[in-house]
Amino acid sequence: GAGVSQSPRYKVAKRGQDVALRCDPISGHVSLFWYQQALGQGPEFLTYFQNEAQLDKSGLPSDRFFAERPEGSVSTLKIQRTQQEDSAVYLCASSLARLADEQFFGPGTRLTVL
Amino acid sequence: GQNIDQPTEMTATEGAIVQINCTYQTSGFNGLFWYQQHAGEAPTFLSYNVLDGLEEKGRFSSFLSRSKGYSYLLLKELQMKDSASYLCAVSVNNAGNMLTFGGGTRLMVKP
Repeated sequence: GAGVSQSPRYKVAKRGQDVALRCDPISGHVSLFWYQQALGQGPEFLTYFQNEAQLDKSGLPSDRFFAERPEGSVSTLKIQRTQQEDSAVYLCASSLARLADEQFFGPGTRLTVL
Repeated sequence: GQNIDQPTEMTATEGAIVQINCTYQTSGFNGLFWYQQHAGEAPTFLSYNVLDGLEEKGRFSSFLSRSKGYSYLLLKELQMKDSASYLCAVSVNNAGNMLTFGGGTRLMVKP
């Protein structure tokens, strides 16, 4: 496809459930980022991949959050034992990894934890 | 740490000009981006500044002063479709040039 895609677009989970959010970056993009966006706020960095290597996960809020990109393309963000405070939009972005390259964002997955 | 401030909301009239300011304090500065985000949609790229000065692109211009930690986005000839959130983001030289975002400015354009 032409852009970054994410699925599902909407996810409702009961507290304590595990969820998996998928990101398909633009083909050939080396860098992949996950951000969390609370309602009415700007996105906040969660984690970064360069190809299949997770080079920074300093933004993950707890050890319940786990991300992977095993073949250097598609990435999955997994949240275990979801809590209400995990409710947010999860944005994925990809770029060519050159210094001034813009990040291209997907439409996000809106997660609601009841 | 990083600190980026921008106004929460602004209102302007169709056809007018509006300036959205952004101030930042950061280390490892690699440049400043402006993104537009309509409700429920992905942020889309508007502009990138790494050197001081004004970058113009159609109805949109962006200015940067690195010494002052200051940027603004200027929107001319406002249209109703410009009603959206405008995100100021600083690129820092770690984590693959990750972006640190401000809280966003919600712009409402009125007829």
